[in-house]
Amino acid sequence: GQSLEQPSEVTAVEGAIVQINCTYQTSGFYGLSWYQQHDGGAPTFLSYNALDGLEETGRFSSFLSRSDSYGYLLLQELQMKDSASYFCAVRDRKTTDSWGKFQFGAGTQVVVTP
Amino acid sequence: GAVVSQHPSWVICKSGTSVKIECRSLDFQATTMFWYRQFPKQSLMLMATSNEGSKATYEQGVEKDKFLINHASLTLSTLTVTSAHPEDSSFYICRAGGGTGELFFGEGSRLTVL
Repeated sequence: GQSLEQPSEVTAVEGAIVQINCTYQTSGFYGLSWYQQHDGGAPTFLSYNALDGLEETGRFSSFLSRSDSYGYLLLQELQMKDSASYFCAVRDRKTTDSWGKFQFGAGTQVVVTP
Repeated sequence: GAVVSQHPSWVICKSGTSVKIECRSLDFQATTMFWYRQFPKQSLMLMATSNEGSKATYEQGVEKDKFLINHASLTLSTLTVTSAHPEDSSFYICRAGGGTGELFFGEGSRLTVL
């Protein structure tokens, strides 16, 4: 079956670096996205990797290895406001609707402590 | 990025009543919108794909007669939870628009059925 695996929770102190891993097993693969969701809010887009390598956007970076079916989100210089759930999502098919259907991981709760 | 508005943000209703949730794309036209359901500390589960001018496509296990979806215009899709019961209490999120990797979600609607 199709699945995305990511840790359920990570705790770190302000200023630290956190890496959230995501391994996927899907019937197709057209890209890996990351989303941040604060409690009670909508998921917001963080990054997208379609090709292998590291993508850096400010304090957040995302990495993809298609051969390993693996990616990670790196949060640097953690701030209290980074406490949220982080989801990885795989676009597993290419349809006439360019956004297609996405498979979502269960989410990783990041807890930032003072 | 695209703006997706969802209303209401919170709704409390009595068991047996029906509740309508609206999802609007504010600055673009969306022929396709997606409805998700999310339980606490769990991932987004796709319920159905809403197609403008045609019937929605429901995921396996989702009762189409209970979760009525209407996509009458290119900017509005509605989800009606009919004869709601406490087990329908959840966070409902719509999605519209988006490029290859970036998805745009509504703010979410938290439904509590008493």
